[in-house]
Amino acid sequence: EAQVTQNPRYLITVTGKKLTVTCSQNMNHEYMSWYRQDPGLGLRQIYYSMNVEATDKGDVPEGYKVSRKEKRNFPLILESPSPNQTSLYFCASSPAEGYEQYFGPGTRLTVT
Amino acid sequence: RKEVEQDPGPFNVPEGATVAFNCTYSNSASQSFFWYRQDCRKEPKLLMSVYSSGNEDGRFTAQLNRASQYISLLIRDSKLSDSATYLCVVNLNQAGTALIFGKGTTLSVSS
Repeated sequence: EAQVTQNPRYLITVTGKKLTVTCSQNMNHEYMSWYRQDPGLGLRQIYYSMNVEATDKGDVPEGYKVSRKEKRNFPLILESPSPNQTSLYFCASSPAEGYEQYFGPGTRLTVT
Repeated sequence: RKEVEQDPGPFNVPEGATVAFNCTYSNSASQSFFWYRQDCRKEPKLLMSVYSSGNEDGRFTAQLNRASQYISLLIRDSKLSDSATYLCVVNLNQAGTALIFGKGTTLSVSS
C-alpha cells in the first residue's frame, strides 16, 4: 500500500529535550515536506526536500532541522524543543515539486 | 505576496443541500490547483485536482476562473459524511514554494 508513515503519532516532552519525528514514504517520491498546523494559522511549511541531500527552509524553519540521506526518509529534528513548538505536524511527499502531495497521519507534539 | 484565501465558514447545511466554496489566489502565474479534504485532527487528503475546463467527480464539481483568479468547489446532495474542512491549494509555480494551502472552510452537514 502506497503511504507516508510518521512516528511517533503522539509525543509529550519537556522543554530542551531533543527529539526526532520520523517520516518515511514508499512511493519513490522525489519531493518531501514538513508542515505544522495550528488553529487559525492553517498549514505552514517548515522544511522541504527536492531530493536526496537537497533540503531547504520553508516558511517557519526556526527551531527545526531536517536531513534527507535516503530518498524514502525525511526526519524532523527538534534540537531544543520549546512550548511554542506544540503543534500538529504533518509530513508529505509528492512525485516532484508542485504536484499533489500525500500526507502522513500526523504527529501531535506537546512541549511542556 | 503569496496568498490563498478561502470563504471563512463555517457552513452549516442540511442533508441534501448544495453548497459552494470559493477560493481566490493572488499570483496570476499559478499553474495547478487542488481541493483537499481534512477531517478533524486527521491528515489532509486530496479530493480533486482542478483543471482549466472544470471537472466533476460524482457530487463534486470544481471550476477554475483564471481571469478572476478563483477556484470553486460545488458539493451537491450533501451527506453527513461530507462534514469536514476543505482546503484550497495552489501551486504558485515558483521554485521553492511548492504548494500554498488556504486555511480551509469548515462544512457541517446535519440531518
